[in-house]
Amino acid sequence: KNEVEQSPQNLTAQEGEFITINCSYSVGISALHWLQQHPGGGIVSLFMLSSGKKKHGRLIATINIQEKHSSLHITASHPRDSAVYICAVRTGYGGSQGNLIFGKGTKLSVKP
Amino acid sequence: NAGVMQNPRHLVRRRGQEARLRCSPMKGHSHVYWYRQLPEEGLKFMVYLQKENIIDESGMPKERFSAEFPKEGPSILRIQQVVRGDSAAYFCASSTSGRSTGELFFGEGSRLTVL
Repeated sequence: KNEVEQSPQNLTAQEGEFITINCSYSVGISALHWLQQHPGGGIVSLFMLSSGKKKHGRLIATINIQEKHSSLHITASHPRDSAVYICAVRTGYGGSQGNLIFGKGTKLSVKP
Repeated sequence: NAGVMQNPRHLVRRRGQEARLRCSPMKGHSHVYWYRQLPEEGLKFMVYLQKENIIDESGMPKERFSAEFPKEGPSILRIQQVVRGDSAAYFCASSTSGRSTGELFFGEGSRLTVL
């Protein structure tokens, strides 16, 4: 079993729909990242969370440390949101914050 | 303020050749991380470097792979005697801090194809 599990693996939505992507992890963490990757493209860091909730534009990320679970929500989805969304966790405290454990990603396709 | 710059974006090598991938971090960033994304697999951490030092190389294959981040110039990931299984996208990220408060900024990646 992977230490970071994402669901769903693939998601197709109609433009305007509210989207939720889930991430569960089985290790102790000090921070969780949500990343976005477009096909053939680079990676953009969307959020870094250690507790609570963050919002940026139409994107909202939440984390429940006790439940070991995080969600990424996209409100009023748009075709340009089509990408792979990746959850990654940093384990422990101190040391390298770049030594991340990644989920396999959720491929989102938003149809016009 | 340019972002994290990686080059080359695409590199083709024959088995047995060497591959050198370069990463210039964002201005003011002294921490660099390399990750590998194998086809149909997730990203995996390889190595964490600060200027002139390797801090954590726990994700680096034991043989043929090396990384450096010299005092001047970009960080370099070097793969000697490449094999087909090295074909992957290699991403670099940088940050101002090695602690959890330091946000990560990623490059566009270098895509290595080994023939």
